[in-house]
Amino acid sequence: NAGVTQTPKFQVLKTGQSMTLQCAQDMNHNSMYWYRQDPGMGLRLIYYSASEGTTDKGEVPNGYNVSRLNKREFSLRLESAAPSQTSVYFCASSPHGHPVPLFGEGSRLTVL
Amino acid sequence: RKEVEQDPGPFNVPEGATVAFNCTYSNSASQSFFWYRQDCRKEPKLLMSVYSSGNEDGRFTAQLNRASQYISLLIRDSKLSDSATYLCVVNPPGSSASKIIFGSGTRLSIRP
Repeated sequence: NAGVTQTPKFQVLKTGQSMTLQCAQDMNHNSMYWYRQDPGMGLRLIYYSASEGTTDKGEVPNGYNVSRLNKREFSLRLESAAPSQTSVYFCASSPHGHPVPLFGEGSRLTVL
Repeated sequence: RKEVEQDPGPFNVPEGATVAFNCTYSNSASQSFFWYRQDCRKEPKLLMSVYSSGNEDGRFTAQLNRASQYISLLIRDSKLSDSATYLCVVNPPGSSASKIIFGSGTRLSIRP
């Protein structure tokens, strides 16, 4: 089915380990996003990419890096995971100029 | 004051009841508004847009009150399947999805 696909769905890390969350969309959307969702905090934007080749910081970028590999793929990397990064991560995409993102199913990350 | 505020609930109502909840926003120049629905342990999904003239989709009615800076969602004849968290989304000036702000959500539980 068309949409946004994230991998892995679940991951447990130890403090200091690194990992990459992968995201791909097949809707030919220009813009892609990474959010994190924590209880009582709502969805907070980590990074976004308005188009292939560009990335910008969102509200909570510290501790993360991103790569817009091509129009379809947008990855999120944690170089040295911390317990504060335990969260549910959502990738999303939207057409250019359309302020309503479509979300992937989410990735649950636990950092011990 | 938070940019977007919602009563976290939970709202616990019997099946068939009418329930309404509001979302307030702080930026009076905000341009567009949306309601998302998020089921437990799932991704947020767009429920409906909120237009200045109001918007009705079946049992759901969304309204905007610019003077008092809030949007509302009313659900009539509630069903068990309406149990979810409802996220208010506000798009500040600029009309870019990277700028949209999510509320923390209002949890709704429909009981038989």
